[in-house]
Amino acid sequence: KNEVEQSPQNLTAQEGEFITINCSYSVGISALHWLQQHPGGGIVSLFMLSSGKKKHGRLIATINIQEKHSSLHITASHPRDSAVYICAVYSGGGADGLTFGKGTHLIIQP
Amino acid sequence: DGGITQSPKYLFRKEGQNVTLSCEQNLNHDAMYWYRQDPGQGLRLIYYSQIVNDFQKGDIAEGYSVSREKKESFPLTVTSAQKNPTAFYLCASSPQRPAYGYTFGSGTRLTVV
Repeated sequence: KNEVEQSPQNLTAQEGEFITINCSYSVGISALHWLQQHPGGGIVSLFMLSSGKKKHGRLIATINIQEKHSSLHITASHPRDSAVYICAVYSGGGADGLTFGKGTHLIIQP
Repeated sequence: DGGITQSPKYLFRKEGQNVTLSCEQNLNHDAMYWYRQDPGQGLRLIYYSQIVNDFQKGDIAEGYSVSREKKESFPLTVTSAQKNPTAFYLCASSPQRPAYGYTFGSGTRLTVV
């Protein structure tokens, strides 16, 4: 079974700072998801990637398949970016094939 | 707009009572999933269904039951056999090939007193 580790677990930063959240996994995957969970609890899918880099607005996600590592970057962070960011990997096996990290709790202070 | 609707958002029940959580999707997705989220833990799969009238147990199915009578609906019943039912429950769906395009609902927070 894939092991997914996220770091840091908690992160507090000032508005405008560049944010990096990391995700490492133990077994080869076919896809990796970055999810955002707001304080109300609902989850939004930010990215799904299997190689390289994707960008959406101020969010950038990268993945290095050889190193089994992905990063989520937020440029010019804003208080509305405060949320829990969850990494989930799809290994193709099992019921849903997904293994979730425990999440990174991000707080952006004005 | 297409999406997943979970209801209610908050639910309180007395210990020993069964309770059913609703999940409806209008995305025409074949697969639907129920996850449980506890503080400090990753999401854990309770049940999933790849097709109408068929469903499979996930990692923590004990004390839960589901049905899939319609493609759009996948209700979860938390039975009195579930020892620690207080948690946040999330429903999700995906096209038949699950690696591409998971959509999550907004969740139901169940508190058993």
